[in-house]
Amino acid sequence: QKEVEQNSGPLSVPEGAIASLNCTYSDRGSQSFFWYRQYSGKSPELIMSIYSNGDKEDGRFTAQLNKASQYVSLLIRDSQPSDSATYLCAVVVTGTASKLTFGTGTRLQVTL
Amino acid sequence: GAVVSQHPSRVICKSGTSVKIECRSLDFQATTMFWYRQFPKKSLMLMATSNEGSKATYEQGVEKDKFLINHASLTLSTLTVTSAHPEDSSFYICSAGLAGGRQIKDNNHIRGQFFGPGTRLTVL
Repeated sequence: QKEVEQNSGPLSVPEGAIASLNCTYSDRGSQSFFWYRQYSGKSPELIMSIYSNGDKEDGRFTAQLNKASQYVSLLIRDSQPSDSATYLCAVVVTGTASKLTFGTGTRLQVTL
Repeated sequence: GAVVSQHPSRVICKSGTSVKIECRSLDFQATTMFWYRQFPKKSLMLMATSNEGSKATYEQGVEKDKFLINHASLTLSTLTVTSAHPEDSSFYICSAGLAGGRQIKDNNHIRGQFFGPGTRLTVL
C-alpha cells in the first residue's frame, strides 16, 4: 500500500464549479498535511496546510482533515482555468523532521 | 516568504559527464536540505536529506556514489550527478528546511520546507 494515495485524474470541472480533490494516507503517525499545486515544468507551490481535524479555509481553498479516516481533501471553489494544474498531497510523519511524503498527484482541468 | 534558488535551471549534457546543481537559501539558514527527483507525470521522490556539516542520508534505492550531496554551509547544498546517463534525465528539486524540523509561519501557512524552482537535466 502506498503511503499517500491520490486519484491521478484528470479531474475535469467547468469554470466556476467546485473541484474536490482527495487524498488518503497510511501512517497514523502523520501529523502535518499539505496541498501543493504544481504547474507543468515548475516546482510545487504550497497552497494549504492543515494539522487538526476539521476544515481550514483560505480564500477559494478549503482543506478538510479527518485523522480517524486518514483522509484529507482540498476543495477549490469558483474554479478558474488558472487552477488547472497537478495537485500534490503531502504528509509529514511525526519524528521525521519535516520529511515530506508526496502522493502521485491529481491533475485538474478547469474547462471554459 | 523564504526564498530558495537553484542553479542552473536547465542543463543538457553528454552521457558520462558529471553535472553539479546548486541549491541556495537566500534569506535564511537552512540546516536541512532535501533533494527530490521527479520524472515526467510522476510525483516527487525524495532522494536524500542533508544536514549542514554532516553526511547526507539517502533514501532506499538511491546510489550515494552516483548522487553526491554536499552541504558545507547553512545556505548552500550541491547535488552532483556523476557519470550521468539518459535515465538520469529528470527534474531535480531541492527544498530547504530549518533546524530540527522547525516550522515557521509563512503567508498563513506553517511550513518546514521551502522549495527551489527546480533544475531540468537532460542527458543525451
